[in-house]
Amino acid sequence: DAKTTQPTSMDCAEGRAANLPCNHSTISGNEYVYWYRQIHSQGPQYIIHGLKNNETNEMASLIITEDRKSSTLILPHATLRDTAVYYCIVPTNAGKSTFGDGTTLTVKP
Amino acid sequence: DTGVSQNPRHKITKRGQNVTFRCDPISEHNRLYWYRQTLGQGPEFLTYFQNEAQLEKSRLLSDRFSAERPKGSFSTLEIQRTEQGDSAMYLCASSLDPADTQYFGPGTRLTVL
Repeated sequence: DAKTTQPTSMDCAEGRAANLPCNHSTISGNEYVYWYRQIHSQGPQYIIHGLKNNETNEMASLIITEDRKSSTLILPHATLRDTAVYYCIVPTNAGKSTFGDGTTLTVKP
Repeated sequence: DTGVSQNPRHKITKRGQNVTFRCDPISEHNRLYWYRQTLGQGPEFLTYFQNEAQLEKSRLLSDRFSAERPKGSFSTLEIQRTEQGDSAMYLCASSLDPADTQYFGPGTRLTVL
């Protein structure tokens, strides 16, 4: 399983962009990067995923470096409701996922 | 699409009792996963099913744990002779196929007294 490394915590001002980094230097060529978030006492919520191109959806943007060894999740206009733990994972081709402890994002007014 | 559902949402039991949790995946999702999450940590993989076949079990899944998916639809996770260390959130996820996005349920929070 490709291991991911994320900062333990980050703060962001409400209305500003939140940029959450993730390192996945052992990622294989056909493995996707997935991002989930988890609000206290709820199940993880899918945000976005990508292989090598940058991706954008209604929730966030995902920037993957050209060598695919790292990525950044961007929440363009963070709100208080974006306060959560954000997980970056690289599932195996069999779908098995190894979660680390994620990044606790705190959006402050 | 009603999402992944899990029942019960909360379970309090005494040490030594058996408990069973149920997961209903998204309709037509062939893959079903079980994870365990303790306070302050990320989810840990326990096991997964492809239809009714259990394909892999983590070393975390001791002999007291058993999971089934008898008809390839819902799944059950049973813990026998519960211990205080089993207290955790048990999460279920499903995906259409192995390479597809996993969608998680709300979890079952187990407290063993």
